[in-house]
Amino acid sequence: KNQVEQSPQSLIILEGKNCTLQCNYTVSPFSNLRWYKQDTGRGPVSLTIMTFSENTKSNGRYTATLDADTKQSSLHITASQLSDSASYICVVRALSGGSYIPTFGRGTSLIVHP
Amino acid sequence: NAGVTQTPKFQVLKTGQSMTLQCAQDMNHNSMYWYRQDPGMGLRLIYYSASEGTTDKGEVPNGYNVSRLNKREFSLRLESAAPSQTSVYFCASSERRESNQPQHFGDGTRLSIL
Repeated sequence: KNQVEQSPQSLIILEGKNCTLQCNYTVSPFSNLRWYKQDTGRGPVSLTIMTFSENTKSNGRYTATLDADTKQSSLHITASQLSDSASYICVVRALSGGSYIPTFGRGTSLIVHP
Repeated sequence: NAGVTQTPKFQVLKTGQSMTLQCAQDMNHNSMYWYRQDPGMGLRLIYYSASEGTTDKGEVPNGYNVSRLNKREFSLRLESAAPSQTSVYFCASSERRESNQPQHFGDGTRLSIL
């Protein structure tokens, strides 16, 4: 069964600090991995997508990495801001098999304190 | 820039009542999706519509029906609501189901069933 595990479940950091969120998956065959940010009371918004050949990709203060061999991804947030407080969701998509249903992780809840 | 619009935003139902959740997108996307999000769980796909005129079951379709009214609109119906269907429901759309483009989410409908 395809699974996506995220850690930690929740994280509290001080404004200005860096943090790293983890995503491990067993989805096969792998197509792509996407990180979403979900603000409280809102729908998820895409931050970045990683395909098989990509190791790292940045979007402003967000940097995602992918190790397809170990089936792990991380999302690094640099110089955190209060607006980074949100849930971060890792979504992995299988390549084929007649099914394009993505597998969602449960998310990491990040709280940034002033 | 409306994107994906869901109505209503909040609803309380009694067990056994019926209800239709509405979703409309203005991005000319071909594919649309309905998810539910429960505390401590990842988003789970209820139904999706790969293109106008087609609908398919997702991971948790029992107790729900959908209608792809036209390219813009995709509705979700609960025929006889049960307390287990208390959840936050998200509608999403994407350019095509097979593409690497992200899904765009609405802000959700918070549904409570007493």
